[in-house]
Amino acid sequence: EIVLTQSPATLSLSPGERATLSCRASQSVSSSLAWYLQKPGQAPRLLIYDASNRATGIPARFSGVGSGTDFTLTISSLEPEDFAVYYCQQRSNWPLTFGGGTKVEI
Amino acid sequence: EVQLLESGGGLVQPGGSLRLSCAASGFTFSSYGMSWVRQAPGKGLEWVSTISGSGDSTDYADSVKGRFTISRDNSKDTLYLQMNSLRAEDTAIYYCSKGSGNKWFDPWGQGTLVTVSS
Repeated sequence: EIVLTQSPATLSLSPGERATLSCRASQSVSSSLAWYLQKPGQAPRLLIYDASNRATGIPARFSGVGSGTDFTLTISSLEPEDFAVYYCQQRSNWPLTFGGGTKVEI
Repeated sequence: EVQLLESGGGLVQPGGSLRLSCAASGFTFSSYGMSWVRQAPGKGLEWVSTISGSGDSTDYADSVKGRFTISRDNSKDTLYLQMNSLRAEDTAIYYCSKGSGNKWFDPWGQGTLVTVSS
């Protein structure tokens, strides 16, 4: 099983600041990695797929980079609606796995 | 617009059974693999099961293998999850999603809560 480790667990920032979230895989997943955003009381939403492609309707302030085992999600300037939990997920190997999440809080 | 609507959650005793449903609309249901993902209270996301578009291929997390069965009725655009021998650790919100091993989970339903408790 591929283990995805997200860091930090919690990121405390202010609106307008830059957020940098990390996801590290226990073995290479190539570029088969996605990022999801989950706001309180809501279902997750796809943000980034194939490591660096923004999903439909996702603002340009969200960007993803990485391949192999190390991936980064960057939010260039935090908006109030961006404070939430972010998960990475791989589909390189079964079982499909998620990281433990990073909470971005004010 | 793609819509996924789960139902069937509720309170069940340990050892009991429950069947979840997910009604899909807005896309050609039979052309896409579908999955269930769960989230225990206050915890992260855990993939549960995936079924191919035709229904002839399924995969399960080890934690539910032998107890849960995923299925679909393409004539009704509906996905199912039959859950047997339920345990306290199965307590979670269960989300259905349009996604599989070769498609990302997008979108997700609003989820249905399953509580296993005596």
